[in-house]
Amino acid sequence: NAGVTQTPKFQVLKTGQSMTLQCAQDMNHEYMSWYRQDPGMGLRLIHYSVGAGITDQGEVPNGYNVSRSTTEDFPLRLLSAAPSQTSVYFCASNRRGAQEKLFFGSGTQLSVL
Amino acid sequence: SQQGEEDPQALSIQEGENATMNCSYKTSINNLQWYRQNSGRGLVHLILIRSNEREKHSGRLRVTLDTSKKSSSLLITASRAADTASYFCATDAYAGGTSYGKLTFGQGTILTVHP
Repeated sequence: NAGVTQTPKFQVLKTGQSMTLQCAQDMNHEYMSWYRQDPGMGLRLIHYSVGAGITDQGEVPNGYNVSRSTTEDFPLRLLSAAPSQTSVYFCASNRRGAQEKLFFGSGTQLSVL
Repeated sequence: SQQGEEDPQALSIQEGENATMNCSYKTSINNLQWYRQNSGRGLVHLILIRSNEREKHSGRLRVTLDTSKKSSSLLITASRAADTASYFCATDAYAGGTSYGKLTFGQGTILTVHP
């Protein structure tokens, strides 16, 4: 099993550009989530999904869209990138059930100029 | 807002010594988890302690939880250079008993173990 796979690993955007960060998991996990990691801030939840077709907002959702058409994939879209979105983005998945641990991807380092 | 606060922010020790990291949080929780992050990599789950547990062990790791003080500690015994990493606590505060992956993370402790 590959686990949680994120692409790309690095990306540089200009302000106003759009892009999609890809996330796929092969563990048949029901739940998937996106976090961003900024220096000194820990990880903050952007959006999460409890199954195909069901998504909801986390702590910092503004400027990001998500959709989940399959169990395996959970892409994160930046519609109009801003310098404040410069960060490292992590996708995670976990099984449905009480008190389950998260499995993380290796991250996407995004710079918005 | 950040649920957890960790201290120290950075810890530097010699190989063979023990490392203790502390985490405080603000709300009631279902469980508290510790994760490790090597430089430039994703987070890896280390250990989970439920709100009705007070202590848990896994190999060289020992976690304690004091819900009355809303605090937890992670002890790594007999540390090795390979333990050098950032360590994060994360709380699951969902009241319904099911975790959707909505964890709240602390700011992390950077541990450096010198050979």
